[in-house]
Amino acid sequence: DAKTTQPPSMDCAEGRAANLPCNHSTISGNEYVYWYRQIHSQGPQYIIHGLKNNETNEMASLIITEDRKSSTLILPHATLRDTAVYYCIVRSQIQGAQKLVFGQGTRLTINP
Amino acid sequence: DAEITQSPRHKITETGRQVTLACHQTWNHNNMFWYRQDLGHGLRLIHYSYGVQDTNKGEVSDGYSVSRSNTEDLPLTLESAASSQTSVYFCASSRGETQYFGPGTRLLVL
Repeated sequence: DAKTTQPPSMDCAEGRAANLPCNHSTISGNEYVYWYRQIHSQGPQYIIHGLKNNETNEMASLIITEDRKSSTLILPHATLRDTAVYYCIVRSQIQGAQKLVFGQGTRLTINP
Repeated sequence: DAEITQSPRHKITETGRQVTLACHQTWNHNNMFWYRQDLGHGLRLIHYSYGVQDTNKGEVSDGYSVSRSNTEDLPLTLESAASSQTSVYFCASSRGETQYFGPGTRLLVL
């Protein structure tokens, strides 16, 4: 699975959009980009994933660059409850390759 | 509602004792995983299973074992607990792309 690079920490004001970047320059054609987050002391929570098209769900939007070497997770209206560590993970969906490899993630702090 | 549970939520044990952490999911997911989380290391995969009677080693499997006798459960056993196994343990399950994590078990080995 390709490695990812994320900033260790970010701050965002409550109510503003939080944009979390992720670099995955060695991503291969069959690898998806996944985002999970972990709120303090809880188990990680799935947010969104995508292959090459931008994706949106009720939690967030995922913007993947055309060359697929980087992506951005967007929380459109951040709230204090969005304070968490956000993990960007790249992995294949080949049968049997269901494992997730977590990096250090980005610690996002939403400020009132 | 379907869910994934872990027990106990907190455990204190002594070095050398055998410890078993339970993981139970009611989604009927084929895939189940055990991770440990330590400061400075993020989550690391211990063992995983793609179905009944199937088990596989992850990146930090030494000192741990799992067995999968049914779809719902994947217990994690520490054969002889060591202080280095003090950690927070998370179980997860998935059918497709998304993994769903349990609330975690905090284990302290004295």
